[in-house]
This record gives sequence, structure tokens and C-alpha cells, in this order.
Amino acid sequence: DVKVTQSSRYLVKRTGEKVFLECVQDMDHENMFWYRQDPGLGLRLIYFSYDVKMKEKGDIPEGYSVSREKKERFSLILESASTNQTSMYLCASSSTADYGYTFGSGTRLTVV
Amino acid sequence: RKEVEQDPGPFNVPEGATVAFNCTYSNSASQSFFWYRQDCRKEPKLLMSVYSSGNEDGRFTAQLNRASQYISLLIRDSKLSDSATYLCVVILPKYGNNRLAFGKGNQVVVIP
Repeated sequence: DVKVTQSSRYLVKRTGEKVFLECVQDMDHENMFWYRQDPGLGLRLIYFSYDVKMKEKGDIPEGYSVSREKKERFSLILESASTNQTSMYLCASSSTADYGYTFGSGTRLTVV
Repeated sequence: RKEVEQDPGPFNVPEGATVAFNCTYSNSASQSFFWYRQDCRKEPKLLMSVYSSGNEDGRFTAQLNRASQYISLLIRDSKLSDSATYLCVVILPKYGNNRLAFGKGNQVVVIP
């Protein structure tokens, strides 16, 4: 069974802190994605990666960066957290052979 | 024009009734389509793929209309457990078929 694991379910951080959100998948998927989901706005793509050390900007990359040093791990970094980054963050992975995404259970981040 | 558009609802459905909703997509080159289900405060999960000929999975039926560029989902004999948000998902061919576009979802509330 495909599994995507996000390191934290709930997180509270202070404005200006550097925040790391970790995502690990165990199915050898090539593609990994970071989304944020806000009421009324749906899922918005922040960054994605098709391969190790490769990254592409999504629709809302400002204020975020990512790292993919190993195939199974894709990290999202908030360089200096702000209150407007309070959101649900969802990681997903997929294989090029099967386009369906598998999502992690999400990290609900609150920036105070 | 947004890549995927859905009427958010909510769709209030009496238990046992049938409910159907559509979503429209803007890129006529899109080849693959999905419906995802998202329960409150949970991650989206794949419900079913949508094939050109239409497909059925128990009480759920998905249809594709390429000429009018919409896909539909029909739920028969609605159960209380069907209450969720149903996300319409389309593959974006310009990204090598590795990136999906998500609608904002149709919220379904099944009423006893």
C-alpha cells in the first residue's frame, strides 16, 4: 500500500521562524508535490519535483523553497514564516506509470 | 479561464436519493481525468478514474464528454457516509502528463 508520510500533523510556529515540513514516500515514486489548501481556494501547487535534486515552481512559490536530496524525501521550507502562511499543507507523490496522486495526511500549520 | 471549474455547492441530498454534478475543463488536449474524495480535515483520496466510455464502481458512475469538455459524477442511493467534497482532477498535458489540476470540489451533504 502506497504511503506518504508527513512528519507533523499539527504545527504552531512564530512569525519569522524558519519552518521545515518533511514528506517521505515509500513507493519509489519519481514525482513529488507540495500543495497548500485554504477554504474557498482549493488546492494550490507550491513546488514539485520530477527527480532527485530537481525542482520546479508551482503556482504560488513565493516565500517557500524545497529540497529533494533523496528520491523518497521532499522537504518544504518556509524561509521566514508569516501569518498568511497559516494553512493546511499537503504532500503528494506519483509515478510516471500511473498518474494518480497519493497524498499524505497533511500538516496543519499555524503561524502566530 | 481556470483549468478546472466546479460548482462548490453544497449539494444537500436526502439519504437514498441520487445526486449528480459536473466539472468543466479548459484544455481540450487533456486525456486523463479523475474524481477524488476528500473528507472533512482529511487528505484527498482517489475515488475513481474517468474513462472515455464511462465507468461505474458500485453506486458511483463517472462520465466524460469530450465535445463539451466536462466530466460528471453520479452517486445513486446516497449514504450518510457519502458526505464529503468531491474533487474533479484533470491531467495537464503541457507538463508531460505528470501534473494534475484540481477543481475546488463539490461539497455533498447527505441528510438523514
